[in-house]
Amino acid sequence: ETGVTQSPTHLIKTRGQQVTLRCSSQSGHNTVSWYQQALGQGPQFIFQYYREEENGRGNFPPRFSGLQFPNYSSELNVNALELDDSALYLCASSLASGRKEQYFGPGTRLTVT
Amino acid sequence: DQQVKQNSPSLSVQEGRISILNCDYTNSMFDYFLWYKKYPAEGPTFLISISSIKDKNEDGRFTVFLNKSAKHLSLHIVPSQPGDSAVYFCAASGDSGGYQKVTFGTGTKLQVIP
Repeated sequence: ETGVTQSPTHLIKTRGQQVTLRCSSQSGHNTVSWYQQALGQGPQFIFQYYREEENGRGNFPPRFSGLQFPNYSSELNVNALELDDSALYLCASSLASGRKEQYFGPGTRLTVT
Repeated sequence: DQQVKQNSPSLSVQEGRISILNCDYTNSMFDYFLWYKKYPAEGPTFLISISSIKDKNEDGRFTVFLNKSAKHLSLHIVPSQPGDSAVYFCAASGDSGGYQKVTFGTGTKLQVIP
């Protein structure tokens, strides 16, 4: 069984640029959630996708957007990067029904300078 | 508004002793609670969970206790092992308009001393 993978591992961008982060869900999982984890904080919910539709969103501005593909892989796009966007971005997959635990990828460390 | 709070940023315990990690929540709509463990450079790993209809769930060395009236849960690790050294996140889940939103605490860094 393949786990959740994310790419790239690390990324450095300049303020104002755009970035795309990628996630490949665990086999059989149809729901993916994205989280932002700032230093010293817990993961903060960005949004969730189920069957290619966004079905939940946290307190993040519209410049954070996402996609989920038919094979349940996913992207997180952030436009007009700000210094405060520097964080670890975590992708987590789960089944929409049944057990509620999520399976996390190792994360992408984004640094905005 | 921090709905899930872990007030102890760190905890040190001797190997073989009990580790008790605490978590408080404020939202009565949470109906499922989870603990995750995170090692450096890795994503969080699911450890144990409990439904709001229960007050205890046990899995090997790990036991989670839920006190709904106090809006408090705790994770007990007995006996503690050096490999348990990690950051532990408490998380709470509840229906949020058609989907299960998970809210995490800020984490407690556990150090088990050999």
